[in-house]
Amino acid sequence: GAGVSQTPSNKVTEKGKYVELRCDPISGHTALYWYRQSLGQGPEFLIYFQGTGAADDSGLPNDRFFAVRPEGSVSTLKIQRTERGDSAVYLCASSLGTETDTQYFGPGTRLTVL
Amino acid sequence: GDSVTQMEGPVTLSEEAFLTINCTYTATGYPSLFWYVQYPGEGLQLLLKATKADDKGSNKGFEATYRKETTSFHLEKGSVQVSDSAVYFCALSDSGANNLFFGTGTRLTVIP
Repeated sequence: GAGVSQTPSNKVTEKGKYVELRCDPISGHTALYWYRQSLGQGPEFLIYFQGTGAADDSGLPNDRFFAVRPEGSVSTLKIQRTERGDSAVYLCASSLGTETDTQYFGPGTRLTVL
Repeated sequence: GDSVTQMEGPVTLSEEAFLTINCTYTATGYPSLFWYVQYPGEGLQLLLKATKADDKGSNKGFEATYRKETTSFHLEKGSVQVSDSAVYFCALSDSGANNLFFGTGTRLTVIP
């Protein structure tokens, strides 16, 4: 079956612009996660959805970052007033929903802020 | 807080050599432990996991044992292949939480 998909695969934007990154989870997965991976680092947790609601957004670095999942499936990560330090690979993962369930990762969106 | 400390790379081995990548963790609860792998040009994928102390996870010839007394989850393989060249990430998910904490990753290169 289809895995987690993310679009776009690459996004180049200018400092100060607004960007949206999309994630399509595996069908039937109720849990969805966003992570950010900077060069040479492991992924860092941003936000976790259970269904439509954000169950844990403690990893969002500041209020420029926001994510939604209005119908409990597709999610969009939104970044306002982008900064050069936001440049990273943004990863999405989904799982069946309990804490021991395997998280399946998408290929990521590489964001470059010029 | 929760954290994972992983052996720094890069690691270069000859084919059929023995592999160990060290991983230790700090957690407030009773975590589940994972090894994820990222092959060149591909996304992160789960390699193996263990959900409680003394469990051994295994897959594709790789093994790791959850050692609570040493807070470790070292990855081992008896005979590596060129196709094992990848970046390996140790991770934990603490009890009562769903998000993963990752180590910084170890790049393994296996040469023929």
